Amino acid sequence: DTGVSQDPRHKITKRGQNVTFRCDPISEHNRLYWYRQTLGQGPEFLTYFQNEAQLEKSRLLSDRFSAERPKGSFSTLEIQRTEQGDSAMYLCASSPYIIVTKETQYFGPGTRLLVL
Amino acid sequence: AQSVSQHNHHVILSEAASLELGCNYSYGGTVNLFWYVQYPGQHLQLLLKYFSGDPLVKGIKGFEAEFIKSKFSFNLRKPSVQWSDTAEYFCAVNPFGNEKLTFGTGTRLTIIP
Repeated sequence: DTGVSQDPRHKITKRGQNVTFRCDPISEHNRLYWYRQTLGQGPEFLTYFQNEAQLEKSRLLSDRFSAERPKGSFSTLEIQRTEQGDSAMYLCASSPYIIVTKETQYFGPGTRLLVL
Repeated sequence: AQSVSQHNHHVILSEAASLELGCNYSYGGTVNLFWYVQYPGQHLQLLLKYFSGDPLVKGIKGFEAEFIKSKFSFNLRKPSVQWSDTAEYFCAVNPFGNEKLTFGTGTRLTIIP
């Protein structure tokens, strides 16, 4: 399968614990995006990378959240000191350079986080 | 900041009925527009996209959408729905030059056999 993959698919944690999610994009895509989706809402943008450079972060991304893409390939999203409000589906997407290619973002299956 | 409105939260139709899902966006400049679909238990998939040119775009599975710039709308249509179209549909926009997507809240479509 050459699509976007995410790991784990489900995560249950206790409030105050740290969690880390991984995303592997489509191999030739240099853009990688993280979104968060809560029940009854559409995905909301969190941050995105061009290769290893983090180009934009949403105000939704508090200082408890950090994302990395160390070698321009896979990315990790870490949430420190989780809160119940962090419970959501975390989606990863990748794309080539959209403006030039007129391509779109391809989404992974998501990681569903439940904070107890 | 741009926003996307999907006014139909839940639509229930019988098979063979015609479908139109509304999508309006607020942004004054050039935008790229998308419809994504999420079938039960599956991830988001692209249905169709508009970048420029013919405002009537055709996508997969018989779906089409029309971009009406004056109305800031990008409504999704299908002349005859099937039970397999049961899914959640999301409209999304990104302003030209900005690569992040802004999504609407989604429309849940239920097709009754």
